[in-house]
Amino acid sequence: DAGVTQSPTHLIKTRGQQVTLRCSPISGHKSVSWYQQVLGQGPQFIFQYYEKEERGRGNFPDRFSARQFPNYSSELNVNALLLGDSALYLCASSLVGGKYEQYFGPGTRLTVT
Amino acid sequence: GENVEQHPSTLSVQEGDSAVIKCTYSDSASNYFPWYKQELGKRPQLIIDIRSNVGEKKDQRIAVTLNKTAKHFSLHITETQPEDSAVYFCAATGTASKLTFGTGTRLQVTL
Repeated sequence: DAGVTQSPTHLIKTRGQQVTLRCSPISGHKSVSWYQQVLGQGPQFIFQYYEKEERGRGNFPDRFSARQFPNYSSELNVNALLLGDSALYLCASSLVGGKYEQYFGPGTRLTVT
Repeated sequence: GENVEQHPSTLSVQEGDSAVIKCTYSDSASNYFPWYKQELGKRPQLIIDIRSNVGEKKDQRIAVTLNKTAKHFSLHITETQPEDSAVYFCAATGTASKLTFGTGTRLQVTL
């Protein structure tokens, strides 16, 4: 029984660059949410997608964008990286969306230098 | 939007004792309240959740209570073990259908 998978595991980028993070949800789950977790803090909501449509967006700048594919996998893109974007980016999978159980992937550790 | 406060930020208990972590939320429309355990360097793991139509839920040594009137919910861990040591996060889902997390409680279970 495969859980939520994310790639890559770690990533080092330079300020101003762009990055794409990938997530595959649990089989049968149709909703993917993205969170940013800065060291020592709780996860902060970035996006939620359900059936390929954006269902929610957190308080993040337009440099952050995402999409969901027909197979329910998802990508998170961050443009013009800033040092403050360094964090653990978590993907969460759920059957139908935020008011149901969300299961997290292992995350992608992004370091911006 | 939803705001979730969590206390205490750190909690140290002796093995076998109970631990209680408390959270308050602001959005009266919130109706789903999960708790996550996160060990160092690992993903948050869903350990228990409760919905607003239920006042209490128990799963072995873990229980969660919800007081909708006061807008607070609590995690209770009984007979704590060293493997319970981790950071625990409460969360709430409000009208925006997104999870808003608390700031976390670092629980340390000492022998």
